[in-house]
Amino acid sequence: RKEVEQDPGPFNVPEGATVAFNCTYSNSASQSFFWYRQDCRKEPKLLMSVYSSGNEDGRFTAQLNRASQYISLLIRDSKLSDSATYLCVVYGQNFVFGPGTRLSVLP
Amino acid sequence: GAVVSQHPSWVICKSGTSVKIECRSLDFQATTMFWYRQFPKQSLMLMATSNEGSKATYEQGVEKDKFLINHASLTLSTLTVTSAHPEDSSFYICSALNLAGKYFGPGTRLTVL
Repeated sequence: RKEVEQDPGPFNVPEGATVAFNCTYSNSASQSFFWYRQDCRKEPKLLMSVYSSGNEDGRFTAQLNRASQYISLLIRDSKLSDSATYLCVVYGQNFVFGPGTRLSVLP
Repeated sequence: GAVVSQHPSWVICKSGTSVKIECRSLDFQATTMFWYRQFPKQSLMLMATSNEGSKATYEQGVEKDKFLINHASLTLSTLTVTSAHPEDSSFYICSALNLAGKYFGPGTRLTVL
């Protein structure tokens, strides 16, 4: 089993839709969790950290379930500019990246 | 947010030559920097962890004699791809760690002819 797994995607959604990404991790000792966004041929950029109580930043909501070793990212009212690959990142002894889920928001 | 730069942004070289890539944290000190490689349509793969003042820690399968890492100061780490071959062509990205998180450089695209 891979250390970090994500929905394989791609997700093609219309503008304004709500979309959710799931991520599971295998190392129960993992301490920190992040969502990164990567545009094509660009470096990943930190989107948001994921806190135990869940956190929201504008249209983005991140949730963490330690018991199930599961992280989610919800994007509401999706925009064309949200089209990118979303990477789940888990930090235990090192930063481990998930394979990413590609999102395409269609007009 | 924090800024990390890389130089050069792209390089084309002949097979057998060596290429040096610099990674700088511009507005913070980073005792730890990381080097990743990304092939097309794949996720980032950690190559090594660069520690200021000590030897880098390489991931399994990464040749330390081929990918030389030097973390000479708290703001600079360099990756040298020695005797580059076409299969080394890739997107090399560095990142630096501070308390707020991990910040990535813009990447260096290496093409070996």
